[in-house]
Amino acid sequence: DAEITQSPRHKITETGRQVTLACHQTWNHNNMFWYRQDLGHGLRLIHYSYGVQDTNKGEVSDGYSVSRSNTEDLPLTLESAASSQTSVYFCASSESASGNEQFFGPGTRLTVL
Amino acid sequence: GENVEQHPSTLSVQEGDSAVIKCTYSDSASNYFPWYKQELGKGPQLIIDIRSNVGEKKDQRIAVTLNKTAKHFSLHITETQPEDSAVYFCAATSGSARQLTFGSGTQLTVLP
Repeated sequence: DAEITQSPRHKITETGRQVTLACHQTWNHNNMFWYRQDLGHGLRLIHYSYGVQDTNKGEVSDGYSVSRSNTEDLPLTLESAASSQTSVYFCASSESASGNEQFFGPGTRLTVL
Repeated sequence: GENVEQHPSTLSVQEGDSAVIKCTYSDSASNYFPWYKQELGKGPQLIIDIRSNVGEKKDQRIAVTLNKTAKHFSLHITETQPEDSAVYFCAATSGSARQLTFGSGTQLTVLP
């Protein structure tokens, strides 16, 4: 069955370190998204991609970057982790056209000490 | 950009009663409104959605209504069961955009 996976599921790191969170989907979806979830804020969009070599900034993109070298993967990099980036991160994907269901991964809980 | 507000933030109901969650949106061009359910430790999952050319949609015990004039939409769950306990998110997107703007979520607790 097609799916979307995230790794690691849990990560503890120190302030200033670079961290990369992986997202892999097997639906062959062109659209991929990264969100962070914090209490009281719901899901906020960090970055998104509509296809290979395409990346776009979302609402809360400062301190994060993404790259899209193939259809299946959209890794999220925290260049220099900060305590404010402690959160749960979700990756999602959807088919090309607008107004389509987004399928979410299981999430990565990141703690920055 | 789009702004979505969701109320209430927490909701407790007795098993068998109905639950209603409401959302408002700011962008009159928004045309797609999904609702997601998130169980503890999992990613959100779509439960129902509605497009701007429809006023109401039902799927068994779940229904969504849309008022384009007032720019608000609501989720209705009837005959609630303990397994309905979860966090529910509304979302909206406009025009050709494929990214969603989410509300802040509602923690629904169904009491036995």
